[in-house]
Amino acid sequence: SAVISQKPSRDICQRGTSLTIQCQVDSQVTMMFWYRQQPGQSLTLIATANQGSEATYESGFVIDKFPISRPNLTFSTLTVSNMSPEDSSIYLCSVVPSGTYNEQFFGPGTRLTVL
Amino acid sequence: GESVGLHLPTLSVQEGDNSIINCAYSNSASDYFIWYKQESGKGPQFIIDIRSNMDKRQGQRVTVLLNKTVKHLSLQIAATQPGDSAVYFCAETSAGDYKLSFGAGTTVTVRA
Repeated sequence: SAVISQKPSRDICQRGTSLTIQCQVDSQVTMMFWYRQQPGQSLTLIATANQGSEATYESGFVIDKFPISRPNLTFSTLTVSNMSPEDSSIYLCSVVPSGTYNEQFFGPGTRLTVL
Repeated sequence: GESVGLHLPTLSVQEGDNSIINCAYSNSASDYFIWYKQESGKGPQFIIDIRSNMDKRQGQRVTVLLNKTVKHLSLQIAATQPGDSAVYFCAETSAGDYKLSFGAGTTVTVRA
């Protein structure tokens, strides 16, 4: 597996502001993803973070709202832009370590509350 | 659209008994499945996986069964312990795709 850290672990933000979440992995990975988990719900894939190019977004998610960067193989950021209370969720990054089949591991998550 | 679903949202188990968590999937193209455990305030923890060329896979105190005929997946936990209390998710994907589709989750509560 891989050791995955996220910053911040939690935050409380005002509506209309933006928050950037960082995801750092301790080893090179094949794939990095960002998921959202709304309160009491399951996980939904937001996008695939592509190294050195634009992220690939899932239906219902757009770059203007959730810009993503991945400058290298071990680091990615997700920004939640122009936040509203509906954006209150846990945001999780996940990785598929290099040399594994499809095993996917998750970070600890960032718990976001928008007032 | 196609989705992964769980039959029961909650499961209460006596400590020491075996637990069985079920999951139905509808995407016939899925060929890789993962069970995750999520404790309160934490990210999902990888428990065990299974590929579609297998019917059964065992880990430490856990067994995953795959029935492709009826598109059914189950997770069995032997001798359930208080530390097994968590939400359990099944997830599916296709080889080379990596994108996971998650089920709704089953909350397991272990009674002392």
